[in-house]
Amino acid sequence: EAGVVQSPRYKIIEKKQPVAFWCNPISGHNTLYWYRQNLGQGPELLIRYENEEAVDDSQLPKDRFSAERLKGVDSTLKIQPAELGDSAVYLCASSLIWNEQFFGPGTRLTVL
Amino acid sequence: GIQVEQSPPDLILQEGANSTLRCNFSDSVNNLQWFHQNPWGQLINLFYIPSGTKQNGRLSATTVATERYSLLYISSSQTTDSGVYFCAVGETSGSRLTFGEGTQLTVNP
Repeated sequence: EAGVVQSPRYKIIEKKQPVAFWCNPISGHNTLYWYRQNLGQGPELLIRYENEEAVDDSQLPKDRFSAERLKGVDSTLKIQPAELGDSAVYLCASSLIWNEQFFGPGTRLTVL
Repeated sequence: GIQVEQSPPDLILQEGANSTLRCNFSDSVNNLQWFHQNPWGQLINLFYIPSGTKQNGRLSATTVATERYSLLYISSSQTTDSGVYFCAVGETSGSRLTFGEGTQLTVNP
C-alpha cells in the first residue's frame, strides 16, 4: 500500500513569491492534515480536513496561507506571499477519522 | 491546550545499551503515537498506543492513561536507531496531534 505522497520535496524561493505544496493521502483515508515543523521542534497543525471540509484551521495564518481539498482526496497548501519566517518543513498526514496518523516525507521550504 | 513534555531531551548511548524515553501529558487523550524521525526528516510510525503495552522487536511502549504518561523502551540499541523520537497526543475533544519537543538519540558504534 502506498504511503502519503508529497511534492515537491524541496523548494527554494525568494521572499514575496508564491509557493504551493501538494499532498496525496493514503487511499481511503478521509482525514487529511497539514503540519509545519520548524527546526528543532515538533510539528504543529495548520489545518485538518474531514473529507473536503476544513474542520480545524485555527492555526492557519489566513492572511497569506490557503488550502483546499477538492473532491476529498488530494490537497494543496499555498503561501502567498512567502516571508522569511515561513522557512520550515511542511508535512502532510492522513488517517481514518479518530485513528492513527501517517505522515508523508515533507516539503522543505527555504525562503531567501 | 494540552501540554506534552518529553525527557530526556538528549541521550547518547553505546551500541547495545538499553534506554527509556518518557512522555508526560497534561490532559486526557484519545490518541498517543510514538514516532522516529530519521535523518532525512521522515516521521516513521513506531506505536499507536493510547493505553496499554505493545512490543515490536527491540522496541516496546507502555501508556498509563490514568497517570498521563507513556514510556518508550529501546533495547540493544543500534546505530540506525539514532534520530529524534517524538511523542504526540490527540485530545479527547479533537484529533489534531500535539507533539512534544522530542528526544534526540545518538547511538555510537
